[in-house]
Order: sequence, then structure tokens, then C-alpha cells
Amino acid sequence: RKEVEQDPGPFNVPEGATVAFNCTYSNSASQSFFWYRQDCRKEPKLLMSVYSSGNEDGRFTAQLNRASQYISLLIRDSKLSDSATYLCVVISNTGNQFYFGTGTSLTVIP
Amino acid sequence: DTGVSQNPRHKITKRGQNVTFRCDPISEHNRLYWYRQTLGQGPEFLTYFQNEAQLEKSRLLSDRFSAERPKGSFSTLEIQRTEQGDSAMYLCASSKRTGVIYEQYFGPGTRLTVT
Repeated sequence: RKEVEQDPGPFNVPEGATVAFNCTYSNSASQSFFWYRQDCRKEPKLLMSVYSSGNEDGRFTAQLNRASQYISLLIRDSKLSDSATYLCVVISNTGNQFYFGTGTSLTVIP
Repeated sequence: DTGVSQNPRHKITKRGQNVTFRCDPISEHNRLYWYRQTLGQGPEFLTYFQNEAQLEKSRLLSDRFSAERPKGSFSTLEIQRTEQGDSAMYLCASSKRTGVIYEQYFGPGTRLTVT
């Protein structure tokens, strides 16, 4: 079983739409979680950390559900510039390994 | 630029040749990671260093792969006797502890093509 499962999409949404991505993880002892953004043929860039209490950064909201072992990312008022692949990342309970999902592709359409 | 740097950015080599990639992490970061990424997949962990010590290696890392971080600063990843299946983007990331978590920052990657 994979450490992290993520729906690859693609998600094609109109500008201004709200879109949500989910990611499930298998190790209940995992401690830390992140969302990264990756543009085509570029390196992943840290988007936000995911905290137990949930956190918000402008139009982006990340949530953690430990009981169901999933994390989510909500993007409100989508912009064309949000088009990218969004990778969820789960850190092992030892803190030593970062497990990446396959990424969810988002295209925001004018 | 104080980010993570990698060299070369692109490498084309013939099957059977050896290649070596270099990663220079962010200077105050004590952890350094190597990943491999193929099209449509997320980065796959290969190995990581804390300072100069290589603490963990993935089962993906065959005997043909070796990584070093001799002085706890830059790192090299060598692939011997390259195979076509080694074609991928090789990403390096560095991190330091921020509170209770480690945040990783990636370099631009080295794209390897084995012909």
C-alpha cells in the first residue's frame, strides 16, 4: 500500500471557482503534512504546512483529519496562475522521510 | 541567490556511462535529500543526509547509485553504468527544523536522459 494516495485529476475549473483536493495517508503515526505546488518542468515549491487546527493563507485553506487520515487543500476564487500540479506530502513519524503523492493537476480556464 | 542549486541542469549520456550530479543546499540547512521524479509521478525519496552522515537510503537506490556529502555542505549523487530506466529528474532538497517540523526547499533539479 502506498504511503500517500492522491487523485491525479485533472481538475479543469473556470476562473473564480472553488476547488478542493484530498489526499489520504496510510501511517496513522505520521506527524507532519504539507502541500507543495509544482509548475510544469519546475521543482516543487512549498505552498503551506498543514496543522491539526487547520490553517489558511489568503485563498488557500489546508485541513487535516487524523481520524480519517486525510489532508485537504481548498482554493477559493481560482486564478489562472493557480494552474499547476499540487502535491501532498506526509512526513514519517521519525521525521526522516518525506512521502509525496503523485500530484493533482489543476487547470484554471478563463 | 541563497536557494538550493544543482548542477548540471541537464545531462544526456549514453547507456553504460557514469554520471555525477552536484547539489549545494541552503547554507544553514543541515539536512539534504535526494529524490527522483518521473513524468506523472511525485518525487520518490532516494536518500538523505544529516550533516555529513547518510542516515537513510531507499530500496530504490541500487548498488549503482552512491551519494556523498563529505563536509556536510554540498552533496554529489553518482550513477554508475547508467540504464535507460535511470532517465528522470533528480531533485535535491535541503531543510532545517522550524519549530517541530522540517520544511524542505528544492533545487531546480538535474534532468538526466540516458540514450
